[in-house]
Amino acid sequence: QVQLVQPGAEVKKPGASVKISCKASEYTFNNYRIYWVRQAPGQGLEWMGRIDPSSGDTTYIQRFQGRVTMTRETSTSTVYMELSSLRSEDTAVYYCARGRSGSSNDYWGQGTLVTVSS
Amino acid sequence: DIQMTQSPSSLSASVGDRVTITCRASQSISTYLNWYQQKPGKTPKLLIYASSSLQSGVPSRFSGSGSGTDFTLTISSLQPEDFATFYCQQSYDNPWTFGQGTKVEIK
Repeated sequence: QVQLVQPGAEVKKPGASVKISCKASEYTFNNYRIYWVRQAPGQGLEWMGRIDPSSGDTTYIQRFQGRVTMTRETSTSTVYMELSSLRSEDTAVYYCARGRSGSSNDYWGQGTLVTVSS
Repeated sequence: DIQMTQSPSSLSASVGDRVTITCRASQSISTYLNWYQQKPGKTPKLLIYASSSLQSGVPSRFSGSGSGTDFTLTISSLQPEDFATFYCQQSYDNPWTFGQGTKVEIK
C-alpha cells in the first residue's frame, strides 16, 4: 500500500525555519511528483508547490516564493519542504500528497502540524 | 491564478437525501477538476478525478460531471459516513487551486 509518512508536529518560534519530511514507500519514487498543501486551523486547503523527484525541478506558489524550498533525497525516497521566516499565520497542518498522471492527488501524508508561537 | 468557487458553503441534509455541490472555475479548465472529501481531523481523500472518474474504492453513490467552467459533485443517497467537507480542485494550471469547501452537515 502506498504510504507517505510525515512527522506529527513541530513547534517553532517566529522568524525560525521548519523543515518537514515526507517519506514515500510502496511505489516507484521517481515516477510521481510530490505536492505540498497546507491548511490553517478551521480553514481550507492551500496549494504551496510541488517537486519532481526524478529531476528535482520545483514549482512554488507566488506568495511563498523566497520562503519555501522543496528538495528530495532519492536514496531514502524522501521529500522535504522547508519554510523560513515563520510567522504566526504559518501555523497550519502541512500535507504532502502524491500527484499522479491524470492530474490529481491520490495519496496524502497524515499531515504535520506546525505551530508558530513565541 | 484560477479561482474556484463552490456553492453552497454549507448545507444540511438527511440520510438518504440526494446532495449536489457545484464548483465554478474563473476560466475554462476542460475536465481537469477533482473532488476531495475531508472529515474533521483527517486527511483529504480523493473521490473524483478528471471531472467524472471515480477513484478506486469510492462508493458509486458519488458522481461528478461538468466541463469548461461548471462542475457538479452529486451524492445520490447520503449516508451517515458522508458528513464531511468537500473540496473541488483544478489541476489545469499551476497553482492547483482549491475551492473554499462545502460542509455537509446532518439535518
